[in-house]
Amino acid sequence: DAGVTQSPTHLIKTRGQQVTLRCSPKSGHDTVSWYQQALGQGPQFIFQYYEEEERQRGNFPDRFSGHQFPNYSSELNVNALLLGDSALYLCASSVRVVRETQYFGPGTRLLVL
Amino acid sequence: GQQVMQIPQYQHVQEGEDFTTYCNSSTTLSNIQWYKQRPGGHPVFLIQLVKSGEVKKQKRLTFQFGEAKKNSSLHITATQTTDVGTYFCAGTMDTGRRALTFGSGTRLQVQP
Repeated sequence: DAGVTQSPTHLIKTRGQQVTLRCSPKSGHDTVSWYQQALGQGPQFIFQYYEEEERQRGNFPDRFSGHQFPNYSSELNVNALLLGDSALYLCASSVRVVRETQYFGPGTRLLVL
Repeated sequence: GQQVMQIPQYQHVQEGEDFTTYCNSSTTLSNIQWYKQRPGGHPVFLIQLVKSGEVKKQKRLTFQFGEAKKNSSLHITATQTTDVGTYFCAGTMDTGRRALTFGSGTRLQVQP
């Protein structure tokens, strides 16, 4: 049973570019959440997708957008990259019931130069 | 917005000593979860607490959820070098919102 997978593992971009990160949830999970973890900080919630719709959003600008596909996989897109977007981007999957546990993927380390 | 604070930020202990990290929320939580993140790794789920005053144990780890459901603690008895990492608490608000709000974490270093 595969856990949460993310691609790519590492990425280097320059300011102003756009990036797409991908996530496949754990088998049987239907909800995907994205988090940004800056160095030395706790993960910060970006948004959550369920039934191919954004259900909740954290305090992130519109440059951050996402998508969920019918197979529950998800993408995170970031436009007009800033140096401050350098971080570990984590995808977490869960089953959409109250008090569910979230399982994190290994993350994508993004460096913006 | 909801804030979750965690103390201490860092603790260095000798192997065999005990360790405790504390988590406090500005709002009542529906539940609280604890995660461990090894250096260079990703958060790994440890446990979830749901009930007011709940106490759960996992071998040398003891987790508590406060009576008011606004604070929590993780206590490790007789630390081992394998306990090294950053411990995060993460809560969901008592309004059905499912997004996790993470604390800033406590980094534990264990000296052999």
